Amino acid sequence: AQSVAQPEDQVNVAEGNPLTVKCTYSVSGNPYLFWYVQYPNRGLQFLLKYITGDNLVKGSYGFEAEFNKSQTSFHLKKPSALVSDSALYFCAVRETGSARQLTFGSGTQLTVLP
Amino acid sequence: GAGVSQSPSNKVTEKGKDVELRCDPISGHTALYWYRQSLGQGLEFLIYFQGNSAPDKSGLPSDRFSAERTGGSVSTLTIQRTQQEDSAVYLCASSLDGGASYGYTFGSGTRLTVV
Repeated sequence: AQSVAQPEDQVNVAEGNPLTVKCTYSVSGNPYLFWYVQYPNRGLQFLLKYITGDNLVKGSYGFEAEFNKSQTSFHLKKPSALVSDSALYFCAVRETGSARQLTFGSGTQLTVLP
Repeated sequence: GAGVSQSPSNKVTEKGKDVELRCDPISGHTALYWYRQSLGQGLEFLIYFQGNSAPDKSGLPSDRFSAERTGGSVSTLTIQRTQQEDSAVYLCASSLDGGASYGYTFGSGTRLTVV
């Protein structure tokens, strides 16, 4: 079975400061990992994904995430937060070669304070 | 079309009524997914269609829920005898194929309120 945990329901950060949104996963084999962002009254938008290769993945809007196999984590990061980054962020996992759909975490509400 | 289109965007229905939610995926995307988003619950997988294969219905919460996909394109999610706990945002997503490395493109969702 595949699962993903986002331990923080809410993350607050000051504008200009670095931000981290945490994600850990559980799969039997190797994972495909994704981050999505949801703005109010909108569908989810793709940010970035890890499939294979370099553990540091760069995505849209200056976001990046680091795949850490030993810690089974895929934390989302950005060096300098913007007020416009305030949104709901979802981590998702799919186990390679088996499951056919993504399993999503419960989401983390990011608020960037001006 | 350019994106995944869902209709209606909002639906208010009385308890016990049936509702139909529609999803029009991106042209050429063979994989289509339905998820349900409840407040504070994240996204709950409902059903998955891939080409002409039998759908994966393992996420449907009860036999009141059903879905079909006609002609490998438009999909309809039907909820019979709606209950208040069915109130949620229903999200549809499509993907180029069912391959694991492709991400999803989501629609804006249908907000269902059962009163």
